[in-house]
Amino acid sequence: AQSVTQPDIHITVSEGASLELRCNYSYGATPYLFWYVQSPGQGLQLLLKYFSGDTLVQGIKGFEAEFKRSQSSFNLRKPSVHWSDAAEYFCAVGNNQGGKLIFGQGTELSVKP
Amino acid sequence: NAGVTQTPKFQVLKTGQSMTLQCAQDMNHEYMSWYRQDPGMGLRLIHYSVGAGITDQGEVPNGYNVSRSTTEDFPLRLLSAAPSQTSVYFCASSSTSGSRDYEQYFGPGTRLTVT
Repeated sequence: AQSVTQPDIHITVSEGASLELRCNYSYGATPYLFWYVQSPGQGLQLLLKYFSGDTLVQGIKGFEAEFKRSQSSFNLRKPSVHWSDAAEYFCAVGNNQGGKLIFGQGTELSVKP
Repeated sequence: NAGVTQTPKFQVLKTGQSMTLQCAQDMNHEYMSWYRQDPGMGLRLIHYSVGAGITDQGEVPNGYNVSRSTTEDFPLRLLSAAPSQTSVYFCASSSTSGSRDYEQYFGPGTRLTVT
C-alpha cells in the first residue's frame, strides 16, 4: 500500500537550534517527493520537491531535504531554526501522473525563544 | 494571476443539506484535486481530474461528487451532508509542463461544519 509516515507528531526546538523532520514513504513507482508547510489557518506552501538527480535538494526559507532510496526516506532539515518557522509540516509523495498526492499526518513544530 | 481560488471560506450546514464548494484556477493547469484535512490525518485525496471531462476517485470519495466541464473550474458537491464531513477542504491544481511541473498549488481552503 502507498503511504507516507511522519513519525513525530510534535517537535519543539529552541530558536537557533538545528532541525530534522523525518519522513518515510512506501510507494510502488518512482516517487516524486514534496515537503509543504502550513501556518495556522493558512493554506499549504511548497518548501521543496525531489523528482530525480541530486538527492540533496534545497528549498525556500533555508530548508533542505535528502532523498535516501535505500531507507525510503526524505527528511527535512534546517541548520538554524527561526521563531517564524513554527508551523505544521507535511511530507507528500506522488508520481508523474500529476493531481494525486499522498500526505503524511504532519509534524507540528514549536520554537522556544 | 489569482492562482487557486475557493469559495466560500466558511460554511455551516445542517445534516442532510447539500452544497457545492467552488474551486477555480487561472494557470491553465490540467490537473485539479480536492483534499480534506482533518486533525492528525494530514490531507486525504477526495477526487481528482486530469483534464476537462475526466475525473477519478481518490482515497475518500464517498459522499462527494465532482465534475469538470472546463479547465478552470472543479466544483465539489456534497449530496447529503453528514457530521463526518466536517473538515477543511483544499483544492489544488498542477501541471506536468514547465519549470514548476507537478508542483501542486493550493487554494486557501473552505472550513465546513455540519451540525
